[in-house]
Amino acid sequence: EVQLVESGGGLGQPGGSLRLSCAASGFTSGFTFSRYSMNWVRQAPGKGLEWVSYISSSTSTIYYADSVKGRFTISRDNAKNSLYLQMNSLRADDTAVYYCARAWPVKDTAMDLYYYYMDVWGEGTTVTVS
Amino acid sequence: EIVLTQSPGTLSLSPGERAILSCRASQSLSSSYLAWYQQKPGQAPRVLIYGASSRATGIPDRFSGSGSGTDFTLTISRLEPEDSAVYYCQKYGSSPLFIFGPGTKVDIK
Repeated sequence: EVQLVESGGGLGQPGGSLRLSCAASGFTSGFTFSRYSMNWVRQAPGKGLEWVSYISSSTSTIYYADSVKGRFTISRDNAKNSLYLQMNSLRADDTAVYYCARAWPVKDTAMDLYYYYMDVWGEGTTVTVS
Repeated sequence: EIVLTQSPGTLSLSPGERAILSCRASQSLSSSYLAWYQQKPGQAPRVLIYGASSRATGIPDRFSGSGSGTDFTLTISRLEPEDSAVYYCQKYGSSPLFIFGPGTKVDIK
């Protein structure tokens, strides 16, 4: 079974930094971490889901939501089957549960390209900025 | 930037009834790029539908998706108590890469 486990959450100060990690496992089921794009998604207390960042399998393509651009950095270490989110210049509105999620590719044959949805999620790690 | 609007905000129904959840986009979407997720309290989201109408692995056939253009629907044909959750639609595409709708809460009476 594919599993994602986040860690690194906690209390951060405004203007401070935190680094989140997401460890992937499930190799017996054929999950090769290095083959898949990954995402960070967050959820503020009592609010909906907000996509934060995406990184491709090779790290060649990275995207950020405008709300975190210039402050957060996504990265991965395929040798360690791990995904990271470096969070700098923290603000109170960064308070949320942060989930890592695998981006599963689906071929759009009409357009001859791939689209993605998030098929495996971790349980989340809580970040509180105060 | 495309905006997703979901309605109703809350749906209160009885077991066995049918739930119809709406997701409307501010601009036309490729149907392939619309997904639905279920989130129960204290749990991570779970994908139900991708490509607007394809059920994800292990999802019961009482969940179905339809729609195109700007209007998409998630239908739960026979509600069960464990379907009580918040349901989000999500689009994949150009900046930002993913956008979630605000969610519809389904309460089972």
